[in-house]
Amino acid sequence: AQKITQTQPGMFVQEKEAVTLDCTYDTSDQSYGLFWYKQPSSGEMIFLIYQGSYDEQNATEGRYSLNFQKARKSANLVISASQLGDSAMYFCAGGSAETSGSRLTFGEGTQLTVNP
Amino acid sequence: EPEVTQTPSHQVTQMGQEVILRCVPISNHLYFYWYRQILGQKVEFLVSFYNNEISEKSEIFDDQFSVERPDGSNFTLKIRSTKLEDSAMYFCASRFQFGTEAFFGQGTRLTVV
Repeated sequence: AQKITQTQPGMFVQEKEAVTLDCTYDTSDQSYGLFWYKQPSSGEMIFLIYQGSYDEQNATEGRYSLNFQKARKSANLVISASQLGDSAMYFCAGGSAETSGSRLTFGEGTQLTVNP
Repeated sequence: EPEVTQTPSHQVTQMGQEVILRCVPISNHLYFYWYRQILGQKVEFLVSFYNNEISEKSEIFDDQFSVERPDGSNFTLKIRSTKLEDSAMYFCASRFQFGTEAFFGQGTRLTVV
């Protein structure tokens, strides 16, 4: 089973600055995946980035990067050059890569507000 | 770009009525999921489906819930007798295989009155 913890209920950042959203996880699996999703006020869940536990390099997707520190069990999302459209709820999620059809377990979310 | 589509986007139903939420997963995906999100709360797993059968379900997924993949493209969630506490956003998701990213539909907002 996975447990995902996001300790920042809300974060504020100035436009064009970088921001880090924290995520820690706890799992007994040797092989697992970590995910970040963005949920704007319209409600849909938008996949941002994925990191496999076996990946040696940190994942990057455009302005998004995942700071994966396995020993610390953390998978923080870094958004560079924040834009007003980045204002949304961000969810960290984890899932086993060992069991077929494994569920994703979500954290509580962080509400990011980008100020002009 | 392929996407997961859900219908309807919003459904209002009376308590005790049956509802069916519909999803069309991405065509080459093999694993299908339903999640729900009560307003202001985190996303909760309901059920996973693979090879035409349920592979895992949560404690939320009781006898009032059922899933089907009736025709090889649609994936449905049925709530047999809705309760007020079933009001939530319901998300369908699919993935090609476990250990890869899961793509979510835009959600169906279910309101039980």
